[in-house]
Amino acid sequence: TQLLEQSPQFLSIQEGENLTVYCNSSSVFSSLQWYRQEPGEGPVLLVTVVTGGEVKKLKRLTFQFGDARKDSSLHITAAQPGDTGLYLCAGVRTNAGKSTFGDGTTLTVKP
Amino acid sequence: EAGVVQSPRYKIIEKKQPVAFWCNPISGHNTLYWYRQNLGQGPELLIRYENEEAVDDSQLPKDRFSAERLKGVDSTLKIQPAELGDSAVYLCASSHRTLDNYGYTFGSGTRLTVV
Repeated sequence: TQLLEQSPQFLSIQEGENLTVYCNSSSVFSSLQWYRQEPGEGPVLLVTVVTGGEVKKLKRLTFQFGDARKDSSLHITAAQPGDTGLYLCAGVRTNAGKSTFGDGTTLTVKP
Repeated sequence: EAGVVQSPRYKIIEKKQPVAFWCNPISGHNTLYWYRQNLGQGPELLIRYENEEAVDDSQLPKDRFSAERLKGVDSTLKIQPAELGDSAVYLCASSHRTLDNYGYTFGSGTRLTVV
């Protein structure tokens, strides 16, 4: 059983469209991170959310942490081909001494 | 500032052969992680070091995998003997402190193919 469920698994859209991907769990996290991974490279940290209900914006990307700190979403406005990649979420449970990654959403933005 | 450096980038070996991966973390990062990433999946933790001490190796297959972090800086992950199912990308990451709420810095990984 995957601790962090990411959906959708695959997403293919046209340039200029908006999209939202999700990261859900039944566990409470101390923090949740979003990474983007391109083929042949390691994941690169995009953002960390720590407070329940927190919203962070990074240019066209908007990240939200659920009030109960169990889930998160990533919204991309006006997607560009450069946004193509694997989007991973990772939850940290400090009390349990664990950090867990989801299996990611593979996003393809077509020009 | 140099990032996390891993070598080699690619390795192809026959099954039953040994293989080793090397990682140099970001200077000053006390915590080092080795992850394995299978195709189409997220990274799975193999081992976590705080300085020289392995503080979480519960997911490391100890019958064939070993790791060391001498002097609390560089680290080596070894597989002996390799099996076909070990084919994956092995990622090293580091952070300033353990289970850092502010994320990890990953290297580019080593893609291992066992034939």
